[in-house]
Amino acid sequence: NAGVTQTPKFRVLKTGQSMTLLCAQDMNHEYMYWYRQDPGMGLRLIHYSVGEGTTAKGEVPDGYNVSRLKKQNFLLGLESAAPSQTSVYFCASSYSLRGETQYFGPGTRLLVL
Amino acid sequence: EDQVTQSPEALRLQEGESSSLNCSYTVSGLRGLFWYRQDPGKGPEFLFTLYSAGEEKEKERLKATLTKKESFLHITAPKPEDSATYLCAVQAATSGSARQLTFGSGTQLTVLP
Repeated sequence: NAGVTQTPKFRVLKTGQSMTLLCAQDMNHEYMYWYRQDPGMGLRLIHYSVGEGTTAKGEVPDGYNVSRLKKQNFLLGLESAAPSQTSVYFCASSYSLRGETQYFGPGTRLLVL
Repeated sequence: EDQVTQSPEALRLQEGESSSLNCSYTVSGLRGLFWYRQDPGKGPEFLFTLYSAGEEKEKERLKATLTKKESFLHITAPKPEDSATYLCAVQAATSGSARQLTFGSGTQLTVLP
């Protein structure tokens, strides 16, 4: 079991460029989440999904889009990157019927110049 | 609005010097309180879930306790390998289908040999 994996690990973008972050989980979890972590601010929820084909907005969704075409994958897209999106992005998943524990991936560090 | 405040922000201990980390929370009905450990450059690693006041859980040198307003993470005779950032998060009963977590900013623990 790899658990939750994220691709890429690190990326540098120029303002206005686009990119997609990939999250994959092999635990058959229903719920998946995207967070960003900034110094002194804790983890903040960007978007989440309660099942294949579903997505919903979290606390800080502006500038991001997501898709969950397959149960095991959750994609986070930045259409036009801004310096304010420089952050570390974490994906998490949980299996709602057995409790609410969220398991996190290793993170993607994104720098927008 | 759900809020989580962790204190202190940073804590330096000598090896073997026991102490406690605090997590104060305000939530509209607590579904669960979670403790995670995060090492530099890595994703949060799940430690404990507490569901009701009076509940306690232990794992090696760590013991988590819960009251109606706060949780403590007690570290007994810490070792240098316990150095990490410890994150507290709450899940509100009103989080609905999202099951989303509200995180504190963390306590950075350093254990000196």
